[in-house]
Amino acid sequence: DVKVTQSSRYLVKRTGEKVFLECVQDMDHENMFWYRQDPGLGLRLIYFSYDVKMKEKGDIPEGYSVSREKKERFSLILESASTNQTSMYLCASKDSGANVLTFGAGSRLTVL
Amino acid sequence: QKEVEQNSGPLSVPEGAIASLNCTYSDRGSQSFFWYRQYSGKSPELIMFIYSNGDKEDGRFTAQLNKASQYVSLLIRDSQPSDSATYLCAVTVSGTYKYIFGTGTRLKVLA
Repeated sequence: DVKVTQSSRYLVKRTGEKVFLECVQDMDHENMFWYRQDPGLGLRLIYFSYDVKMKEKGDIPEGYSVSREKKERFSLILESASTNQTSMYLCASKDSGANVLTFGAGSRLTVL
Repeated sequence: QKEVEQNSGPLSVPEGAIASLNCTYSDRGSQSFFWYRQYSGKSPELIMFIYSNGDKEDGRFTAQLNKASQYVSLLIRDSQPSDSATYLCAVTVSGTYKYIFGTGTRLKVLA
C-alpha cells in the first residue's frame, strides 16, 4: 500500500511566522498535491507537482509556496502565516498511470 | 466553474438498512469518479472508484455511474454504525490533472 506521511499532525503558530509542512510518499509516485480543507468549502487545491522541481499553481496558491527537491518529498511553505490560513492541510500522491489519490493523515494548523 | 454537488445531510439510516448517497457533476468530459470516506478529524480514504457507466460492486459498497445524467451514487448495504462518516465524491476534470471534490454528505447509521 502507498504510504503518504505528513510529519506534523497538529501545529500552532503565530501570525507572521514561516511555516513548513512536510509530506513524504514511499511509492515513487510522480504526482503530489497539497489541499486545504475547510468546513463547507470542501477540499481546495493549493499546489500540484508532477515531477522533481516541477510545480503548478492550484486554485488557491496565494500565500503559499512549495518545494519538491526529491521525488518522495513535497513541502508546503507559508511564508508569513495569517489567521485565515488556519485549516486542515492534506497532502496526496498518485502514480501517473493511475487516477487514485492517496492522502496523508493531514496537518491541522492553527495560526494565532 | 466545474462543480460537484452533494447533499450535505445528515443522512440518517437505521443499522442494517441501505444508505444511498448521491453526487452530480458539471463537467461532461470527466472520466474518473471516486468515493472517499472521511471520519471526523481524519483524512479521506478511498472507498471506490468507477470509470464506466453502470454499477461496480465491492463488498457492501456499490458505485453507480450515469454519464448521460452526470450523476454518480454510492450504495452501502447492511449499514453499520462504523459507516457513520462524511462521504466525499470526487471527479477528475477533463484535460487537466485536477480533481474536484464535493463538500460531502454526512451519514449517520443509528444502532
